[in-house]
Amino acid sequence: QVQLVQSGAEVKKPGSSVKVSCKGSGDSFSKFAITWVRQAPGQGLEWMGGIIPVLSTPTYAHDFQGRVSITADESTSTVYMELSSLRFEDTAVYYCARVTDGERNYWGQGTLVTVSS
Amino acid sequence: DIQMTQSPSSLSASVGDRVTISCRASQSISIYLNWYQQKPGKAPKLLIYAASNLPSGVPSRFSGSGSGTDFTLTISSLQPEDFATYYCQQSYSLPPEITFGQGTRLDIK
Repeated sequence: QVQLVQSGAEVKKPGSSVKVSCKGSGDSFSKFAITWVRQAPGQGLEWMGGIIPVLSTPTYAHDFQGRVSITADESTSTVYMELSSLRFEDTAVYYCARVTDGERNYWGQGTLVTVSS
Repeated sequence: DIQMTQSPSSLSASVGDRVTISCRASQSISIYLNWYQQKPGKAPKLLIYAASNLPSGVPSRFSGSGSGTDFTLTISSLQPEDFATYYCQQSYSLPPEITFGQGTRLDIK
């Protein structure tokens, strides 16, 4: 059974950066894509980007190009998502997830990032 | 990029009703389509994978159909716990790229 455990809630100032971690456990963590999805209050699910840890080459959604960085540390089975130049509208719950492997579909618990002055 | 369009965006129904939610892809995605249920404050829960497959533990009142560009999620007889928001998600693109539909909110009439 795979588990994805995310780091805790963050409060950030506009213009700063936030880095959220997602630690995996269970089978073959490095071989499957980990994606980052965010959900602003009352809004839908938005794909930000992702990475296949063993390949280490991230893919980003157009809307986040230049502001997001996704990295993986295979030695600790952890994927990181860093979002820079934070704006008030980046306030959201950020999820890591493994959702491209059929029934083997796993989500982290979510990390609330609040951007506030 | 593949766009996913769900309809309707919201829906009111009663316990016992049969409900259908549609999802259309901007290009053919074969059967690479998942459906999720999300309740407030919770991560999405997988309901259907590969367009029509039910994960273990999901009640049989949920079913999915379709292939190519048009897909449907059906709830055969609504239960009180089914009032939630539903999303489709394509995984046809090269991983890790995915796309979600905008969601369908299902409310009690």
